[in-house]
Amino acid sequence: DGGITQSPKYLFRKEGQNVTLSCEQNLNHDAMYWYRQDPGQGLRLIYYSQIVNDFQKGDIAEGYSVSREKKESFPLTVTSAQKNPTAFYLCASSTAAGAYEQYFGPGTRLTVT
Amino acid sequence: KQEVTQIPAALSVPEGENLVLNCSFTDSAIYNLQWFRQDPGKGLTSLLLIQSSQREQTSGRLNASLDKSSGRSTLYIAASQPGDSATYLCAVHTGNQFYFGTGTSLTVIP
Repeated sequence: DGGITQSPKYLFRKEGQNVTLSCEQNLNHDAMYWYRQDPGQGLRLIYYSQIVNDFQKGDIAEGYSVSREKKESFPLTVTSAQKNPTAFYLCASSTAAGAYEQYFGPGTRLTVT
Repeated sequence: KQEVTQIPAALSVPEGENLVLNCSFTDSAIYNLQWFRQDPGKGLTSLLLIQSSQREQTSGRLNASLDKSSGRSTLYIAASQPGDSATYLCAVHTGNQFYFGTGTSLTVIP
């Protein structure tokens, strides 16, 4: 089955700790994205990558970091500098040319207390 | 910067009714527009993708239209069913990024 996996589904952390969210895709897509979803605010872009070893900041990159060492993987680290990290995080991928149809993973709900 | 708006924010209809969801965007320079469905606590499921050169796409009971010049898209759902209850989001692709609306929460009442 082709698709995007995110793990874990639920994640709990204490304030001040860094945490890394996993995203893996087997769709052979070049582009990958991380979004944050908060109630009433829609999806906001954190980081995106259109090719291995390259990524760009989205609208709300402060307090987050990413890496893209492999085409299939795009992990997101939520650092202690992120002031309000509790949210639903969604990973997506698409082709980097042509139709650009975007596919999403099931999401990770992060709760920081 | 591209802004995407969806009205209404919430909609309740009786089962069997046909309905239209609206999506508007401020910059007509888009590559495509995509409609998604999101169930509570889940990821987004792609419903329809309309390329910038297309006017509409159909899949089963769903029909999406695109008018780039006016910055509008509609998602038409025919003969609604309780299983259609979900949040529907539209997104436009501008070449680098996707921009999302805040969604319309649809409830279909049996």
